[in-house]
Amino acid sequence: DQQVKQNSPSLSVQEGRISILNCDYTNSMFDYFLWYKKYPAEGPTFLISISSIKDKNEDGRFTVFLNKSAKHLSLHIVPSQPGDSAVYFCAASGVQGAQKLVFGQGTRLTINP
Amino acid sequence: DAGITQSPRHKVTETGTPVTLRCHQTENHRYMYWYRQDPGHGLRLIHYSYGVKDTDKGEVSDGYSVSRSKTEDFLLTLESATSSQTSVYFCAISENRMSNEQFFGPGTRLTVL
Repeated sequence: DQQVKQNSPSLSVQEGRISILNCDYTNSMFDYFLWYKKYPAEGPTFLISISSIKDKNEDGRFTVFLNKSAKHLSLHIVPSQPGDSAVYFCAASGVQGAQKLVFGQGTRLTINP
Repeated sequence: DAGITQSPRHKVTETGTPVTLRCHQTENHRYMYWYRQDPGHGLRLIHYSYGVKDTDKGEVSDGYSVSRSKTEDFLLTLESATSSQTSVYFCAISENRMSNEQFFGPGTRLTVL
């Protein structure tokens, strides 16, 4: 049972435009959501997080939106840059015990010049 | 970057042989994790540790064991490697934060022939 789902395996966006990556979850008890970015042959790196008591968190070009009623979160990148090309994972925490994350399958974002 | 190293970075082995992967941290973080990354599955938790000699199973623990005799080292052992354990393995660490932000190592690519 996939508790965190990223239904788009890939996304292609033109440089300078907005990239929107989506993530759905099934367990309403999750209390934190995180986004990670991964380049080939490297480990994932933390990007941004949001608490379940908020609906938006912003950090520079990155904004995460949380819609609890729809059990949906999204990551917006504006403007998109070539260096943003990577695989993005969403993750959730708070249900399965202390200090564990549940990850989605990942979305490969390609930024075209 | 968090001080996390993994060794070896690449390994090719044969079915039935034992394999041990090592994760070493210099951050003195309490929690350590082993994940595997496979196409279409994202990152799946194998085992984790919440202190020296304190470990627990994750989502995909069958065929794996772990040990943590020192704060800085977390070992993952495949007692008898199978081809289904061909994967990229990531170690991660975290401290006791509400968001459970985890920091990942560079990964080990394991191929079981």
